[in-house]
Amino acid sequence: RKEVEQDPGPFNVPEGATVAFNCTYSNSASQSFFWYRQDCRKEPKLLMSVYSSGNEDGRFTAQLNRASQYISLLIRDSKLSDSATYLCVVPNYNQGGKLIFGQGTELSVKP
Amino acid sequence: DTEVTQTPKHLVMGMTNKKSLKCEQHMGHRAMYWYKQKAKKPPELMFVYSYEKLSINESVPSRFSPECPNSSLLNLHLHALQPEDSALYLCASSQDLGVRICEQFFGPGTRLTVL
Repeated sequence: RKEVEQDPGPFNVPEGATVAFNCTYSNSASQSFFWYRQDCRKEPKLLMSVYSSGNEDGRFTAQLNRASQYISLLIRDSKLSDSATYLCVVPNYNQGGKLIFGQGTELSVKP
Repeated sequence: DTEVTQTPKHLVMGMTNKKSLKCEQHMGHRAMYWYKQKAKKPPELMFVYSYEKLSINESVPSRFSPECPNSSLLNLHLHALQPEDSALYLCASSQDLGVRICEQFFGPGTRLTVL
């Protein structure tokens, strides 16, 4: 089992749609989780950090299910500008400072 | 100011050249990182510096040589690279490597092409 696995995508959705990405992780000791967004040929940008059961920021909601070891990212009312690759990231505490990245899920929001 | 800067933005070099990539942050972060990213793949960790000391080297070939002159600066010296080393090189920083792993903030990257 990979340390961090994401929905492979791509997701193609119309503007205004609600879309959800799932991410599973293998290390049950993980305590913090991050969602990054990466536009084509740009750097990853931190979208959301999750330290407890979840986090919400405007149209974006991250939920954590520790029992099942998965994190989800929900985007409501999708905008064209949400088109990007979304990376699920889980720190590896046994290798201090090392972030384990999922393969990324590509989202394309169409008019 | 949550900004990490990198220079140059683009670099083309031959296999016999020596060049350096530079990274700077002024957020007071004490951990800095170098990543390599190929197209449609996630970033791969290369090196981690914590309090200006190298703490992780992910078995990177010696043709890549990192240097941390002070807490704000991180360099990556390149020598005798191969065409397969062409990639986006990303620098990142985080507050520290404490018990609670902190978010990392990435610079815009240097797009490297090795001819």
